[in-house]
Amino acid sequence: SQQGEEDPQALSIQEGENATMNCSYKTSINNLQWYRQNSGRGLVHLILIRSNEREKHSGRLRVTLDTSKKSSSLLITASRAADTASYFCATAPNQAGTALIFGKGTTLSVSS
Amino acid sequence: DGGITQSPKYLFRKEGQNVTLSCEQNLNHDAMYWYRQDPGQGLRLIYYSQIVNDFQKGDIAEGYSVSREKKESFPLTVTSAQKNPTAFYLCASSIGNAYSYNEQFFGPGTRLTVL
Repeated sequence: SQQGEEDPQALSIQEGENATMNCSYKTSINNLQWYRQNSGRGLVHLILIRSNEREKHSGRLRVTLDTSKKSSSLLITASRAADTASYFCATAPNQAGTALIFGKGTTLSVSS
Repeated sequence: DGGITQSPKYLFRKEGQNVTLSCEQNLNHDAMYWYRQDPGQGLRLIYYSQIVNDFQKGDIAEGYSVSREKKESFPLTVTSAQKNPTAFYLCASSIGNAYSYNEQFFGPGTRLTVL
């Protein structure tokens, strides 16, 4: 029961450019989380934004949430080669008995 | 060091065999999860546990079994009934229960290949 869908599926940029990834979901949520996964590794939590928040920052990361459009975006500013990874959004549904639901991810490649 | 560990890193299984993947955490987290990841895909939830001796099926539990005898440990058995078990398996844990929707901490994963 995947709810979040990331867009684009893949993104290639040069170092120093900004990278924007989007996540759309279907049902109302408690919060939305973004994770990063380096190739062949486990996921690392980046940021959590609650349904009553519109924007959150963490270092070079900026996350927005628009609950009316059921969408979120993750912006990475001044990208570095080390940002090369897959990025997943995960939605926490407002539905009892349902665990966190992960999307299929956006693969970001940053070349130097 | 606090964290979550998985072993082995790579596992090869012959068809018809059961195999058990280990997951241990020393974060004192109540909730633990098992996910399966196929190439180019997101994570699909297999099983999760919110407390010792209790666990719930996720979206793709068929062919898998789990146990939670200790808070620190949540092993996953891939049985011979799982038709296509070749995948990357990830274990995670979180504070509170699964419906607190707190951030999840992931292990490094186990890559299972069926020969």
